[in-house]
Amino acid sequence: NAGVTQTPKFRVLKTGQSMTLLCAQDMNHEYMYWYRQDPGMGLRLIHYSVGEGTTAKGEVPDGYNVSRLKKQNFLLGLESAAPSQTSVYFCASSLTSGIGAYEQYFGPGTRLTVT
Amino acid sequence: AQKITQTQPGMFVQEKEAVTLDCTYDTSDPSYGLFWYKQPSSGEMIFLIYQGSYDQQNATEGRYSLNFQKARKSANLVISASQLGDSAMYFCALPDDKLIFGTGTRLQVFP
Repeated sequence: NAGVTQTPKFRVLKTGQSMTLLCAQDMNHEYMYWYRQDPGMGLRLIHYSVGEGTTAKGEVPDGYNVSRLKKQNFLLGLESAAPSQTSVYFCASSLTSGIGAYEQYFGPGTRLTVT
Repeated sequence: AQKITQTQPGMFVQEKEAVTLDCTYDTSDPSYGLFWYKQPSSGEMIFLIYQGSYDQQNATEGRYSLNFQKARKSANLVISASQLGDSAMYFCALPDDKLIFGTGTRLQVFP
């Protein structure tokens, strides 16, 4: 049982390049989330998914796209990276949401630098 | 709109002492809950404790307890008998259909 895994752990991109971050969970969770963490900002929600085939915008969705083709995977895409997207990205999953979400399980994070 | 506020950017505590980390929230939901997470320097997010607004007693998990005061809309984390390994960022969070995080408090435990 690996929990939540993220690929890659580190990445450096040049401005304008594209990339996809992969999040995988093996807990059969319905809900999956992508956050970014910047110094002094806590975690901010980028996009989330309430089930296979569904996605929804979070607090800071601009510049990102997501897909949830399979229940266990949640992909975060950057089509044209910008230095403002330099951040640490966390994926999380939970069985349910709202007050029933007793715990969100987090991946180890991906440190992305855009030069 | 849901909102979480952590007003202490940093806290210091001596080893073996207790420390309280503040968290206030604002929600219009009649039923809600609060999470606390710990993030050590290694970066991972570690779940510490959860309490629902309908719970009658304050939650405790080992050395962690929640001082939940609904009238004041506060859900402070109390760490008893601090250890050097408690040095980390601590985040309070409010679950909605996502999880809304506060900006965090950096706790430093000194010998």
